[in-house]
Amino acid sequence: DAGVIQSPRHEVTEMGQEVTLRCKPISGHDYLFWYRQTMMRGLELLIYFNNNVPIDDSGMPEDRFSAKMPNASFSTLKIQPSEPRDSAVYFCASSPTRDRSNEQFFGPGTRLTVL
Amino acid sequence: AQSVSQHNHHVILSEAASLELGCNYSYGGTVNLFWYVQYPGQHLQLLLKYFSGDPLVKGIKGFEAEFIKSKFSFNLRKPSVQWSDTAEYFCAVNARGGGYNKLIFGAGTRLAVHP
Repeated sequence: DAGVIQSPRHEVTEMGQEVTLRCKPISGHDYLFWYRQTMMRGLELLIYFNNNVPIDDSGMPEDRFSAKMPNASFSTLKIQPSEPRDSAVYFCASSPTRDRSNEQFFGPGTRLTVL
Repeated sequence: AQSVSQHNHHVILSEAASLELGCNYSYGGTVNLFWYVQYPGQHLQLLLKYFSGDPLVKGIKGFEAEFIKSKFSFNLRKPSVQWSDTAEYFCAVNARGGGYNKLIFGAGTRLAVHP
């Protein structure tokens, strides 16, 4: 299995621009999670989906952030407009319901820099 | 609300020293427990997990952790660290039941191993 795939791996953009991060979960996994990691705040859960439906988006920092999962093999996290404080590493993770231990498998992350 | 506390934010050791990283969680019910490792510039990888059975769990690379239910603890240990163990270590807990796969992560412990 290829594992969780994220793109792009690095993104540099200017303040005010729209940023779209992409994630392909492991095939057969029906939970998908978006995390943000910064030095100041550590690892934060932003939102997670089950069977393509958003379950908990309480971690989304503000309305500039939105996430979608149009099908079982693709999800996006969009920031519009972006701000310098959004600079972070964004991780996507997936998990199968059949795994009762609820282990999550992480992607390589997208390092976002907003100038 | 569930929470995870990692006692040490930074640990510095010499090679061959023994390691113990503390992790305590707050949740009165049945839990799954995890230790993830993040090597510099990489994504989180599972080190070990406790789901049920023997409370002493053995993971990859010589790591082990012991679940002590009465102390709400899941400390990570390694008898002899190597330079390649330099990484950040995250403890995480998932409360079983309710069908939710949300993991609560601790703040992480940065381990630096000097040759």
